[in-house]
Amino acid sequence: DARVTQTPRHKVTEMGQEVTMRCQPILGHNTVFWYRQTMMQGLELLAYFRNRAPLDDSGMPKDRFSAEMPDATLATLKIQPSEPRDSAVYFCASGLVLGPSYEQYFGPGTRLTVT
Amino acid sequence: QQQVKQSPQSLIVQKGGISIINCAYENTAFDYFPWYQQFPGKGPALLIAIRPDVSEKKEGRFTISFNKSAKQFSLHIMDSQPGDSATYFCAARGPSGSRLTFGEGTQLTVNP
Repeated sequence: DARVTQTPRHKVTEMGQEVTMRCQPILGHNTVFWYRQTMMQGLELLAYFRNRAPLDDSGMPKDRFSAEMPDATLATLKIQPSEPRDSAVYFCASGLVLGPSYEQYFGPGTRLTVT
Repeated sequence: QQQVKQSPQSLIVQKGGISIINCAYENTAFDYFPWYQQFPGKGPALLIAIRPDVSEKKEGRFTISFNKSAKQFSLHIMDSQPGDSATYFCAARGPSGSRLTFGEGTQLTVNP
């Protein structure tokens, strides 16, 4: 049963600290998405990659957020420095985009609390 | 033009009843309309999806109705069960081909 995995599942940190979240997409998927979910904003797309290349990161605050795919099995989302307003659940999703048909599979999320 | 509007924000239904959640969009280039179900502490999971060339799709107790001219689509849950209590998100795939735009979500509660 192929799944997207995310680590850590929970993270509590102090304002100003660096936070790194990791995602292992489903093997063979060529597209990886990062979302942020809050009560106020719902599900927001932060960035996504196709074949490890960034396609769109317009949803991400550039001054403090960065997203990378060092290899096909790992995607990272980094916040430096973190702020209390970054507290949210961060989801990674992956999909195999070959044409008109594809699905996104979400991971379990990383719940981030910045104090 | 990229927005997807979802209503209601919350919905309470009795067991055995029909749950209906509605979504509306503006961008006529959207070509794929999925619904996701999310339980507390979990990531959203694909429930059912439809393309604009069909008006209805049914999978078990879940049905999507699609009205292309009105740019609206809805999720119907027949014989709603307490286990259906979750947050439901509609979404639409943008013209770029792979980005999904999500609605605001509907928190469904099915009372026993």
